[in-house]
Amino acid sequence: AQKVTQAQTEISVVEKEDVTLDCVYETRDTTYYLFWYKQPPSGELVFLIRRNSFDEQNEISGRYSWNFQKSTSSFNFTITASQVVDSAVYFCALSNTGTASKLTFGTGTRLQVTL
Amino acid sequence: NAGVTQTPKFRILKIGQSMTLQCTQDMNHNYMYWYRQDPGMGLKLIYYSVGAGITDKGEVPNGYNVSRSTTEDFPLRLELAAPSQTSVYFCASSTKGTSGRDTPRSYEQYFGPGTRLTVT
Repeated sequence: AQKVTQAQTEISVVEKEDVTLDCVYETRDTTYYLFWYKQPPSGELVFLIRRNSFDEQNEISGRYSWNFQKSTSSFNFTITASQVVDSAVYFCALSNTGTASKLTFGTGTRLQVTL
Repeated sequence: NAGVTQTPKFRILKIGQSMTLQCTQDMNHNYMYWYRQDPGMGLKLIYYSVGAGITDKGEVPNGYNVSRSTTEDFPLRLELAAPSQTSVYFCASSTKGTSGRDTPRSYEQYFGPGTRLTVT
């Protein structure tokens, strides 16, 4: 069985602070994908990143960066110099590479960025 | 491309009524999924399909039915609606790399805008 844990239920930061959202996963598969999605107050799900289990390189995209550590089964997400527009619920998810590639989601971390 | 579309956006049902949530994708994706999101929670898989004519249960299938007669459409049917089915429903689709090759968008699930359902 697969499991994704996002232990931080809610985080509040002041604009321009850096913030890291934690994600720990469990899977018996040797090949899998990890994802981060953003859900702004409007409710839609916005894809942020996909990471293959064979690729442990960290990735940076603008103010966003991701740290994938297979040894600790973690895939953490950092926002540098946070902005009010970053306020949203962020979900980490895990997909197998089997026939259906089903996603297992964490419970999400609500990020509140204030001025 | 419209991507994944869902109708309706909102619906209020009385207990015991039935309805169908529509989902259509125009990306020729083989895989389609239905999730529900309860307040303050992540998404849970209800049903999924790996192609026309093939469907299977996810984590929380009770009270729902699906069919997949075409690649594009994957409707979700609620029979005898109950208050526990009050939720936001998301449809998604995805593709897999072909010939064993992993493409940049493989396995990424494209989500529809959601349907907010209230059962009272």
